[in-house]
Amino acid sequence: GQSLEQPSEVTAVEGAIVQINCTYQTSGFYGLSWYQQHDGGAPTFLSYNALDGLEETGRFSSFLSRSDSYGYLLLQELQMKDSASYFCALKVGGKLIFGQGTELSVKP
Amino acid sequence: GAVVSQHPSRVICKSGTSVKIECRSLDFQATTMFWYRQFPKQSLMLMATSNEGSKATYEQGVEKDKFLINHASLTLSTLTVTSAHPEDSSFYICSASGSPSTGELFFGEGSRLTVL
Repeated sequence: GQSLEQPSEVTAVEGAIVQINCTYQTSGFYGLSWYQQHDGGAPTFLSYNALDGLEETGRFSSFLSRSDSYGYLLLQELQMKDSASYFCALKVGGKLIFGQGTELSVKP
Repeated sequence: GAVVSQHPSRVICKSGTSVKIECRSLDFQATTMFWYRQFPKQSLMLMATSNEGSKATYEQGVEKDKFLINHASLTLSTLTVTSAHPEDSSFYICSASGSPSTGELFFGEGSRLTVL
């Protein structure tokens, strides 16, 4: 099976940079995705890493190291609206297996 | 991005009744859809993979007879919670695959089921 670990909570201030880590165990996977979910809402896609290295999309960047079974999501220039839950997810076959999620609180 | 619509967004039912949740892909055809379940402040747990024209593939531990999935067309998948009980109360979310080259799934708005 697969397992993913993320910190349960992270707090940061507006304008700062925050990194959310994700470690995983799996026998094989296609890539690592990141999703954002606001309370009561649908998850929305942020980023995907099929290969090792950094992917940048605006204020968000994601990193993957297959050799370390590790990835992270980097959020820059934090805004209040970034307060949400963030999930890493392994793409295994056609499925996505999600981590437990990290609740990010952005303070003024 | 593609739009996935889910209905109803909220449903309250009595214990022992059955509830049907619909998931539609509005502007694309989805041969595969996924059903997830989410408890408050917890992860999205994959329940089953719904394949158009064939039987759904259920994850380990998910009761097939309890959670009936039908994917009769390329734009509609349904989840029926049969003989619902209070422990079935949860947030149910469907999703459809986006680009095959990325991990992107397009999610519906979710359906919050409360069983009294």
